[in-house]
Amino acid sequence: DADVTQTPRNRITKTGKRIMLECSQTKGHDRMYWYRQDPGLGLRLIYYSFDVKDINKGEISDGYSVSRQAQAKFSLSLESAIPNQTALYFCATSGKRSRADTQYFGPGTRLTVL
Amino acid sequence: DAKTTQPPSMDCAEGRAANLPCNHSTISGNEYVYWYRQIHSQGPQYIIHGLKNNETNEMASLIITEDRKSSTLILPHATLRDTAVYYCIVRVAYWYAGNMLTFGGGTRLMVKP
Repeated sequence: DADVTQTPRNRITKTGKRIMLECSQTKGHDRMYWYRQDPGLGLRLIYYSFDVKDINKGEISDGYSVSRQAQAKFSLSLESAIPNQTALYFCATSGKRSRADTQYFGPGTRLTVL
Repeated sequence: DAKTTQPPSMDCAEGRAANLPCNHSTISGNEYVYWYRQIHSQGPQYIIHGLKNNETNEMASLIITEDRKSSTLILPHATLRDTAVYYCIVRVAYWYAGNMLTFGGGTRLMVKP
């Protein structure tokens, strides 16, 4: 079983719709991250959370919001989706006690905004 | 400025060792070398990391030169499933807001039958 899961895996939606992407992990990690990846580009950090009460913006948080419902769950919302939010979205986790802040990624959600 | 330099692509025969080089001439004393890989459109996968000493795990070996300015990731017996983009990343080993996991261009490894 995968340690980091994301739902849905694929989603097509229309401009202006609200979308929620969900991430769950069974690694027992306290840190969770949301990234997006665009074709030919690297990963860009959207939001990160170090525990349930700690939420921080990454480099491209505009147009996104997050919710850390529990240690194991971290959701990303697009309040009003726009076409340039079409991308691959990855959730990642890392452990506070990790010696090297190694991050473990989910399988990704491919989001298309028409 | 890029912290690492990797060849854009490499080929390797199945069953042979794949040696992926990375230059990081400006690495600082407290920065680690990490390797991740990404198989087409899947989530990046952590492979290995090291500071000074050579490291080995069930996936790969990491050889770091004595001056730490370059390193080599070795996949000892490459399989077709190892075809992926491999990223060499240099960063300190603790989190702070500016210490993001930055994936550059990477090396596209093609393992051929």
